Amino acid sequence: DVKVTQSSRYLVKRTGEKVFLECVQDMDHENMFWYRQDPGLGLRLIYFSYDVKMKEKGDIPEGYSVSREKKERFSLILESASTNQTSMYLCASSRSGGPQNIQYFGAGTRLSVL
Amino acid sequence: SQQGEEDPQALSIQEGENATMNCSYKTSINNLQWYRQNSGRGLVHLILIRSNEREKHSGRLRVTLDTSKKSSSLLITASRAADTASYFCATAYTGRRALTFGSGTRLQVQP
Repeated sequence: DVKVTQSSRYLVKRTGEKVFLECVQDMDHENMFWYRQDPGLGLRLIYFSYDVKMKEKGDIPEGYSVSREKKERFSLILESASTNQTSMYLCASSRSGGPQNIQYFGAGTRLSVL
Repeated sequence: SQQGEEDPQALSIQEGENATMNCSYKTSINNLQWYRQNSGRGLVHLILIRSNEREKHSGRLRVTLDTSKKSSSLLITASRAADTASYFCATAYTGRRALTFGSGTRLQVQP
């Protein structure tokens, strides 16, 4: 079974802090994704990566950056956390053949920025 | 935004009844997928239907796709309390490199 692991289930940070959310997948997938999920808005794509060191902006990249130095790991970085970044963050991965393949999700990180 | 719309936003039924959820989308697609999310957890893929398919089954799930109406339906037959979750459609729009998720339908199955 594909396993996508997010480093934290719950995280509380202060406004202005630099925040790292880590995601690791164990199935050698080429594609990895970061979403945020807010009530009534569904999942919105922040960034995705289709190969090591390659990234592409999603629909709401402002205030976020990403890093993919190794194939299995995809990090989401909040350079200076703000209260409007309080949300559930979901990481996903999918195999090669295109980013529209079936995605496998981690359990999510619920981030609160105070 | 190309985000699809699910309908209804919330649905409450009794165990044993069928549950139907609908998804509408905006432009041409390569495939459409349905996912399930238990409360506070990640999403789990249920079923994928390609743009040239009209119907697909998987266990108690039946998905239909009507490309002329740009809509899809997910039917869960003989629902169980364990089917209580949120269900999302995700569209693979032609020319877009990632999936687009809708806002979901919250299904409550009463025992």
